[in-house]
Amino acid sequence: QVQLQESGPGLVKPSETLSLTCAVSGYSISSGYYWGWIRQPPGKGLEWIGSIYHSGSTYYNPSLKSRVTISVDTSKNQFSLKLSSVTAADTAVYYCARQGILTGYYLDYWGQGTLVTVSS
Amino acid sequence: EIVMTQSPATLSVSPGERATLSCRASQSVSSNLAWYQQKPGQAPRLLIYGASTRATGIPARFSGSGSGTEFTLTISSLQSEDFAVYYCQQYNNWPRGYTFGQGTKLEIK
Repeated sequence: QVQLQESGPGLVKPSETLSLTCAVSGYSISSGYYWGWIRQPPGKGLEWIGSIYHSGSTYYNPSLKSRVTISVDTSKNQFSLKLSSVTAADTAVYYCARQGILTGYYLDYWGQGTLVTVSS
Repeated sequence: EIVMTQSPATLSVSPGERATLSCRASQSVSSNLAWYQQKPGQAPRLLIYGASTRATGIPARFSGSGSGTEFTLTISSLQSEDFAVYYCQQYNNWPRGYTFGQGTKLEIK
């Protein structure tokens, strides 16, 4: 069974960089698939942040592209998100997820999510 | 960017009745559409992909239909555990875009 688990600080100061890691178990990232980050502000809908292929190719939401970096560490079977220059608008639950390829680019396995609050 | 619009925003239905949720794309997404269910405090769960294929373990009372710009998620006989928020998502123009609808809240009438 594929499992994903987000980890990282729950509180980040404005203008600083948000950093999260997603640990994957039950599947080797090196075997394929895209791996993505999605966020959800409190009481609002879902927003795709970006995704990374196991080879390291990255794809970002154009609206966040200038501030986002996603990387992968296949030796640790995990991938990471960095979002720079955060503001209160970046307060959200951040999810990591596995993204399909062969039958479609939907998100079939999700982490439980982690709330990140941007506040001084 | 392809905009996904879901309707209604809130749907009130009695247990045992049928629920029909709609999703419209601003341009054709072929059959590259997924539906997700999200309960309070939980991550979204994949229900349907390819517009009409149920994901592993999803009960047969959930069905998806449509193609192009108009899509429907139908829950044939609502169970108590089905009351949640439902999101549609298009992945037709990956990786140039990857967008969700704003969600439909399905509540008990």
